[in-house]
Amino acid sequence: QLQLQESGPGLVKPSETLSLTCTVSGGSISSSSYYWGWIRQPPGKGLEWIGSIYYSGSTYYNPSLKSRVTISVDTSKNQFSLKLSSVTAADTAVYYCARYGVAHDAFDIWGQGTMVTVSS
Amino acid sequence: DIQMTQSPSTLSASVGDRVTITCRASQSISSWLAWYQQKPGKAPKLLIYKASSLESGVPSRFSGSGSGTEFTLTISSLQPDDFATYYCQQYRAFGQGTKVEIK
Repeated sequence: QLQLQESGPGLVKPSETLSLTCTVSGGSISSSSYYWGWIRQPPGKGLEWIGSIYYSGSTYYNPSLKSRVTISVDTSKNQFSLKLSSVTAADTAVYYCARYGVAHDAFDIWGQGTMVTVSS
Repeated sequence: DIQMTQSPSTLSASVGDRVTITCRASQSISSWLAWYQQKPGKAPKLLIYKASSLESGVPSRFSGSGSGTEFTLTISSLQPDDFATYYCQQYRAFGQGTKVEIK
């Protein structure tokens, strides 16, 4: 069964770059049927789509974050990654990686999420 | 950009109640809408995709309907496990969520 697992620092200093990796196990990230996305959720708030990537490297970003976001994919490691630059306290959130099925047009499998706090 | 608006924000209900949550899109999205359930400390779980298709393993008391700009998620008979927050989503946009509480 396919699983996703986020990894990365739980604490990032203001103005620095947040870096997270999502490792896909039990299946290939190179499937033509799926995109791979990042979604975040600030404490006590709703879900915000950050961006998505296709295994070929095509990327799609939330316009409100586009200037600070880079998503990349490493098919050899079955991983995709998120970098968010110039972070502030407003970027404190649980960050989820998830699989987006083209047939479902929905995020059908999610990682457990990882809490990232921006603080000095 | 498409905006998704859910109502109500909070809903108080009892076990056995029929519950309906509404999601409106700022422009037509055909049937490209999904619904998720999220419990505290857990990742969202896909319930419904393409507005009315039930995800595998999801109880049949959950159903979705609608097209264009107005959509509904219905729980036919609320169960104790259903007290959670529900989100609608159209690709890049999530609704703000509806918390279903115990009355």
